[in-house]
Amino acid sequence: DIQMTQSPSSLSASVGDRVTITCRASQGIGNYLAWFQQKPGKAPRSLIYAASTLHSGVPSKFSGTGSGTDFTLTINSLQPEDFATYYCQQYDTYPFTFGPGTKVHIK
Amino acid sequence: QVYLVESGGGVVQPGESLRLSCAASGFTFTSYDMQWVRQAPGKGLEWVATIRYDAVTEYYIGSVRGRFTVSRDNSKNTVHLQMSSLRSEDTAVYYCARAIFPRLAVAGFWGQGTRVTVSS
Repeated sequence: DIQMTQSPSSLSASVGDRVTITCRASQGIGNYLAWFQQKPGKAPRSLIYAASTLHSGVPSKFSGTGSGTDFTLTINSLQPEDFATYYCQQYDTYPFTFGPGTKVHIK
Repeated sequence: QVYLVESGGGVVQPGESLRLSCAASGFTFTSYDMQWVRQAPGKGLEWVATIRYDAVTEYYIGSVRGRFTVSRDNSKNTVHLQMSSLRSEDTAVYYCARAIFPRLAVAGFWGQGTRVTVSS
């Protein structure tokens, strides 16, 4: 199975900050990488697929880059509604696997 | 508007069975792969199973293969997850999700989840 890692596991940021989360795959996955946002007690929300393509309705302050094994999610101008846990997932090969998540806290 | 509504969760004892359902609406159900993703209490997301749009091909995570069966009824726009020989480690919220696009398997739309608790 392809293992996904994320760093950091958590971070503290202020409103207006820009944050970057890194995701790494244990083997090359091309651009078959998605990002999800989840708030406590809520279902996940799809943000990005194909490493850099925004899902419908997702604001442009979210952006994704990368290919192969290394990927990043950047959130510009952090707002209160952006404080959540973010997961990456590879969908290149079954079983699809998620990273462990990065929790973005309010500083 | 895509709607996915899960049902069937509950509290069961180890070794018992449970059948989850996901009712879909707002899109052409037969065009999309459907999947189940779970989240154990306080833990991250874990993909569980996918059934392709044609109801023929299924994929499972290793820990549930042979115990869980994903199926779909394309006449009723419903996908099911039949879970048997349940274990305490199957305790989780189970989410149903639809692929973003036809023939692109990654999840794009999610239900609100149904909680499964396996405990003696």
